[in-house]
Amino acid sequence: GESVGLHLPTLSVQEGDNSIINCAYSNSASDYFIWYKQESGKGPQFIIDIRSNMDKRQGQRVTVLLNKTVKHLSLQIAATQPGDSAVYFCAEETGGYNKLIFGAGTRLAVHP
Amino acid sequence: GAVVSQHPSWVICKSGTSVKIECRSLDFQATTMFWYRQFPKQSLMLMATSNEGSKATYEQGVEKDKFLINHASLTLSTLTVTSAHPEDSSFYICSARDPRGGDQPQHFGDGTRLSIL
Repeated sequence: GESVGLHLPTLSVQEGDNSIINCAYSNSASDYFIWYKQESGKGPQFIIDIRSNMDKRQGQRVTVLLNKTVKHLSLQIAATQPGDSAVYFCAEETGGYNKLIFGAGTRLAVHP
Repeated sequence: GAVVSQHPSWVICKSGTSVKIECRSLDFQATTMFWYRQFPKQSLMLMATSNEGSKATYEQGVEKDKFLINHASLTLSTLTVTSAHPEDSSFYICSARDPRGGDQPQHFGDGTRLSIL
C-alpha cells in the first residue's frame, strides 16, 4: 500500500510485484523528463528519460508514461526486486542552462 | 561512462567556520555544473548553476554571499559555505553537464554530508 510520511510518501510492495510510482510536474512548458533512483547516502542515479513528443518509453524492467494533459509522469517497475528499494524522483528540465527541477520523491520499500 | 567526483564525502566542523566542497568531472570537460541541497527525507533543491569562467546563477532565496561558487576550470567547481551554522547542515550534491551529450542530461556526484556543530 501507499502511505504518506512527514515529507516522503512510501510505496511498499512485495518482491516480484510490479510497482508504479507517480509524479506531478509543474511547468507545462517543460519538454524533457527524467526518473532518478537515489540510494541512501548517494547521489541520484539515472533510470530513464522521456521527451514531450512521446507518451511512453520502455527500458529494461522500467517504463515511463507521460500525460501532458494533466502534467503527470509515472514510472513502472516490473518484477520489483529488493535491490530496487530506494527513493525515486522525477525531474523536469526547464529554464536556461537546462536546469533540473526535482519532484518530491517516493520511497519504494520492497519486501521479500 | 562519465563520472563526477565530490570531495569530501563527509565533513564535520564547528559553527562559524567556512567549508569548501569540490566537484570534479573526471573524464569530460563541463562548462556547466549544478549545486543542489537535500535535507533528510526531502527532495533535491537546486541552489545554483555554475558556469566556467563566469559568475554563478543562484536560485531565488539562495544567499550568494553565504554559498560561494567558483568554477575556475572546465573540470572543477567549488562550493564554499561561509560562516557555517547548524542550519546549514545538509547533504550537498553537485552535477555536471557533459557537452558531448550522451544518454543523460547531468551526471551526479555522490554528495557531501555537511554537519555543523
